[in-house]
Amino acid sequence: DGGITQSPKYLFRKEGQNVTLSCEQNLNHDAMYWYRQDPGQGLRLIYYSQIVNDFQKGDIAEGYSVSREKKESFPLTVTSAQKNPTAFYLCASSSRAISGNTIYFGEGSWLTVV
Amino acid sequence: AQSVTQPDIHITVSEGASLELRCNYSYGATPYLFWYVQSPGQGLQLLLKYFSGDTLVQGIKGFEAEFKRSQSSFNLRKPSVHWSDAAEYFCAVAIRDNTDKLIFGTGTRLQVFP
Repeated sequence: DGGITQSPKYLFRKEGQNVTLSCEQNLNHDAMYWYRQDPGQGLRLIYYSQIVNDFQKGDIAEGYSVSREKKESFPLTVTSAQKNPTAFYLCASSSRAISGNTIYFGEGSWLTVV
Repeated sequence: AQSVTQPDIHITVSEGASLELRCNYSYGATPYLFWYVQSPGQGLQLLLKYFSGDTLVQGIKGFEAEFKRSQSSFNLRKPSVHWSDAAEYFCAVAIRDNTDKLIFGTGTRLQVFP
């Protein structure tokens, strides 16, 4: 089936550790996105990539890093610099970066700092 | 600055009753508008979207939304709610800057009583 796969679904991190969330899509989409979701705050954009080997910061990029070496993959690293990383993370993609395209979402990953 | 407001944090309705979820946006140009639904711990699913043309938009699962430019609103409606509609609903506006970035509202949680 075509879609967006995020892994792991649940992840626990100790303070001071970096963790990487995986996002893979087989929709042949050019653009990919990472959103963070906190209760009562909706979704906020962390990073986005419109094409391979290129990405831009979103509204809350501090403490996060990404790479886009392959069209189908857009991993997100939550670094120790992110002071409040406990949240639900959603990866998304769209066919090409033209305003108004439908964005499709993965099932999300829960990250908890212990 | 662009923004989306969903004034109702939590709505409770009886099964079979009609539903209207409110969404107001702030955007300088003609907006692209979306409604997404999210079940607990899951990703987001697109219900419907408005780009142009007919201001009454039909979506999946029996939902519809009406774009009212004069009121900067894009309210979501359903004539008869089913228990399976219980979820969180997000309104979003697309930034027309040759990306597909979305600005989300904070969401409305719908509870359905039998």
